[in-house]
Amino acid sequence: GEDVEQSLFLSVREGDSSVINCTYTDSSSTYLYWYKQEPGAGLQLLTYIFSNMDMKQDQRLTVLLNKKDKHLSLRIADTQTGDSAIYFCAEIPQGRRALTFGSGTRLQVQP
Amino acid sequence: DADVTQTPRNRITKTGKRIMLECSQTKGHDRMYWYRQDPGLGLRLIYYSFDVKDINKGEISDGYSVSRQAQAKFSLSLESAIPNQTALYFCATSDWGEQYFGPGTRLTVT
Repeated sequence: GEDVEQSLFLSVREGDSSVINCTYTDSSSTYLYWYKQEPGAGLQLLTYIFSNMDMKQDQRLTVLLNKKDKHLSLRIADTQTGDSAIYFCAEIPQGRRALTFGSGTRLQVQP
Repeated sequence: DADVTQTPRNRITKTGKRIMLECSQTKGHDRMYWYRQDPGLGLRLIYYSFDVKDINKGEISDGYSVSRQAQAKFSLSLESAIPNQTALYFCATSDWGEQYFGPGTRLTVT
């Protein structure tokens, strides 16, 4: 998606923290989302953040939102091999009626 | 049972053939979507429908058509398949927020 950008690949060791970054262009998006795609499966909503929040924590997941820089990040604490997947950030830009996805970041967790 | 089902899961077809991909959902949502996924490009929206009488083109609708047969059913057709339509196709449904995705259909056009 041209409106949402992500790096394509991240490799971490099991037990380390992973940080997946995303930049978006539409500051009017009300919600920003993180989806997870496991091999051979569809996308599953992992978490989301409301645009008036700076941070949201949900167990091992922490989402940080910097509206000034239009930067969204997903931190996974104590990364496990089961976290290996492709992670997509997404938004609904103003004037559009469906999600616009980033290109996805493939997270590889090494034992 | 899965909330969103897609058939077929895999399909190989030849250039010029017509093919239909089907999607059904049991969530009771009005909104349904078709995306295609290509490596390094994320998901791109083909068509979406906010109710049975509402059909809208997405960013890459050329070469595709859709039919919303009922609230629960949304099918995608390739009238004359071409090799660059080889991709993974996802159907999704939502109310106003979270989108629920089907498992995908892997389509290969030779």
